[in-house]
Amino acid sequence: DAGVTQSPTHLIKTRGQQVTLRCSPKSGHDTVSWYQQALGQGPQFIFQYYEEEERQRGNFPDRFSGHQFPNYSSELNVNALLLGDSALYLCASSWTGYNEQFFGPGTRLTVL
Amino acid sequence: QKEVEQNSGPLSVPEGAIASLNCTYSDRGSQSFFWYRQYSGKSPELIMSIYSNGDKEDGRFTAQLNKASQYVSLLIRDSQPSDSATYLCAVLNYGGSQGNLIFGKGTKLSVKP
Repeated sequence: DAGVTQSPTHLIKTRGQQVTLRCSPKSGHDTVSWYQQALGQGPQFIFQYYEEEERQRGNFPDRFSGHQFPNYSSELNVNALLLGDSALYLCASSWTGYNEQFFGPGTRLTVL
Repeated sequence: QKEVEQNSGPLSVPEGAIASLNCTYSDRGSQSFFWYRQYSGKSPELIMSIYSNGDKEDGRFTAQLNKASQYVSLLIRDSQPSDSATYLCAVLNYGGSQGNLIFGKGTKLSVKP
């Protein structure tokens, strides 16, 4: 049973560029949440997708957007990258009705 | 602003000792609590969840919850060097179809051989 997968593992971009990160949830899970983790900090909630719609959103600007596909996989898009967007981006999957969220390996984004 | 507070550490314990990690939260209405372990350079791994007051044991790990004091703790018995990691406390914030997690900054644990 495959766990949560994310791609790419690492990414280097320059300021102003755009990036797309991808996530496939654990088998049987239908909800995907995205988190940003800066160095030395706990993960911060970006947004959550269920039934192909954004259901909740944290305190992140509109430069952060996402999508969920019919197979429950998800993308996180960040436009107009800033140096401060450098972080580990984590995808967590869960199943409606259960509270536990399971994280993928993450994508390390570096903005130069 | 809902908050989760943890001592950042580092917490250093000798091998075989009990490690005690603590967490407080601000939202009195919170019902679901989680402990994640994060090794350096890796993603968080769920190790315990707790929903009711009292203790919940799983192997060498015991989670303790006191909703009246808004306090969650994690005890690791017979600590091993492989337990050296950052431990993240998380509280479920309900909203939308399912809740999102609010994390503390984590406590770094070092188990010395």
